[in-house]
Amino acid sequence: GAGVSQSPSNKVTEKGKDVELRCDPISGHTALYWYRQSLGQGLEFLIYFQGNSAPDKSGLPSDRFSAERTGGSVSTLTIQRTQQEDSAVYLCASSHPRGTSGGGTDTQYFGPGTRLTVL
Amino acid sequence: QKEVEQDPGPLSVPEGAIVSLNCTYSNSAFQYFMWYRQYSRKGPELLMYTYSSGNKEDGRFTAQVDKSSKYISLFIRDSQPSDSATYLCAMGRSYGKLTFGQGTILTVHP
Repeated sequence: GAGVSQSPSNKVTEKGKDVELRCDPISGHTALYWYRQSLGQGLEFLIYFQGNSAPDKSGLPSDRFSAERTGGSVSTLTIQRTQQEDSAVYLCASSHPRGTSGGGTDTQYFGPGTRLTVL
Repeated sequence: QKEVEQDPGPLSVPEGAIVSLNCTYSNSAFQYFMWYRQYSRKGPELLMYTYSSGNKEDGRFTAQVDKSSKYISLFIRDSQPSDSATYLCAMGRSYGKLTFGQGTILTVHP
């Protein structure tokens, strides 16, 4: 079946502009995550949506970053007034948690990412 | 200090070698452990996951977890040039975000 898709694959913008990045999760997956991967760095958690629960925004680096998930499916990550340090690959992942019993896992499937370059 | 430490390498080995990749962590609340492989300009793909101490084997890959030492490893036997990629360890407490290591760049040369 189709995996996680993200668009655009590449985005070049000028400092100070706003950008929107889109993620289409795997159909039926209730959880959706955004991560950021900077050059030479591991993945940095940004935000997590699970069903109708309030999102976990604890990883957002500043109030210039926001995300929404409409209809429990597609998600958009918005970065306002972009800065050069925002240049990174933004990765989206989705999962279908198996439940809260011990030993369950939450396997996250990643999209190809959006490579953002802020000039 | 980062919650998860991983030697970034790069690591270069000849084809057929056994590769050992390692991560240490400081947070004892982590309950499950994963290894992802990431090819250049692609998203990470899950290789192995485990939630208990001990070994888990899948083909040429073995994941090892030592919770008492807060140390995890991934072993690749009979390494192939197609194994050349960045390997990321990841850890989670329950459902929700994963905490990743920096990633180790591996090159297997013919």
